Amino acid sequence: DGGITQSPKYLFRKEGQNVTLSCEQNLNHDAMYWYRQDPGQGLRLIYYSQIVNDFQKGDIAEGYSVSREKKESFPLTVTSAQKNPTAFYLCASSESGTYNYGYTFGSGTRLTVV
Amino acid sequence: DQQVKQNSPSLSVQEGRISILNCDYTNSMFDYFLWYKKYPAEGPTFLISISSIKDKNEDGRFTVFLNKSAKHLSLHIVPSQPGDSAVYFCAASADGNKLVFGAGTILRVKS
Repeated sequence: DGGITQSPKYLFRKEGQNVTLSCEQNLNHDAMYWYRQDPGQGLRLIYYSQIVNDFQKGDIAEGYSVSREKKESFPLTVTSAQKNPTAFYLCASSESGTYNYGYTFGSGTRLTVV
Repeated sequence: DQQVKQNSPSLSVQEGRISILNCDYTNSMFDYFLWYKKYPAEGPTFLISISSIKDKNEDGRFTVFLNKSAKHLSLHIVPSQPGDSAVYFCAASADGNKLVFGAGTILRVKS
């Protein structure tokens, strides 16, 4: 079955630590995205990548970093510089440059700072 | 600046009745609109979409209406079912890729 896999589902981080959230897709999609969901604020774009080895900042990129070394993978690192990292993180992918069904989302990772 | 707004945080509807979820947008360059449905602790799933060249798109119990002059779209669910209880996100695109999402509306369908 084609889809997007995010891991882990739940993640706990101590203050001052970096953590990396995994996102893998086998849909052969060119574009991948990271969103953050907070209550009452919808989905806010952190980073996106339209091709391998290239990515752009979204609306709330501060304190985050990404890499896109392979088409299938788009890991997100939440650094210690992110002031309020506790949130639900969603990864998505889409075919680049075409109107279709929009994005395919993963099932999300809930990150909690303890 | 919120380009896509869903002004109703929540909506409660009786089973079998119509649910109407609303969405307003400010960017006149948006040319494609989508609705997503999300259950707790899961990723959103695509529900229905509409291109700006149309004013209505229907798929089973779900119909999306687009009023470009008012920069407004709505999602109608008829008849509403308890399984429709979820968060509904409106999204828009101006370039065929990067979607801008609204804050979501929680729909509760009471049986």
